[in-house]
Amino acid sequence: NAGVMQNPRHLVRRRGQEARLRCSPMKGHSHVYWYRQLPEEGLKFMVYLQKENIIDESGMPKERFSAEFPKEGPSILRIQQVVRGDSAAYFCASSLPTGGTTEAFFGQGTRLTVV
Amino acid sequence: RKEVEQDPGPFNVPEGATVAFNCTYSNSASQSFFWYRQDCRKEPKLLMSVYSSGNEDGRFTAQLNRASQYISLLIRDSKLSDSATYLCVVNTGGSYIPTFGRGTSLIVHP
Repeated sequence: NAGVMQNPRHLVRRRGQEARLRCSPMKGHSHVYWYRQLPEEGLKFMVYLQKENIIDESGMPKERFSAEFPKEGPSILRIQQVVRGDSAAYFCASSLPTGGTTEAFFGQGTRLTVV
Repeated sequence: RKEVEQDPGPFNVPEGATVAFNCTYSNSASQSFFWYRQDCRKEPKLLMSVYSSGNEDGRFTAQLNRASQYISLLIRDSKLSDSATYLCVVNTGGSYIPTFGRGTSLIVHP
């Protein structure tokens, strides 16, 4: 059973370009969470999704950021018109659908560098 | 007040030492509690779940105090390989989202 898969592992974008980060959850997991981690900082929650639904996006910046988890395919975190401050590690986690009582498993992350 | 708070450390201890970390959480309705470990520039990995009755896994012991809203992690006989950042995680909020503390840095030296 493959773990949570994220790609790309590293992504370099110029200011103003778009960044697309992908996350395939573990088999059987229907809950996906995205987190952002700045250097020397903790993990900050961004968004929580289930298949075809955004459950909680309270941690998402109001502009330029969006996320989806379609019926088929990976979850996508999309950042439009990237700025230097978007440079960070973005981690995706997945969990079983058991009402918040189970642990989340993490992908290896995507390190975004905006130049 | 932050939802999950930890002393960032670093805790600098010799091999063989016993070290303890605490974590406090603000939402009394929090559902589940975990300790994760994160190595430099790697993803967080589950270390252990934390149960009300406490639980032990080898050299690691976790405790939960719901009345005081804190959890703890005890590491006995520290190894060099225990050097990492230890993250306290609480499933909290209406959607029980895993919410992370900032982490406590542990450095075990020879």
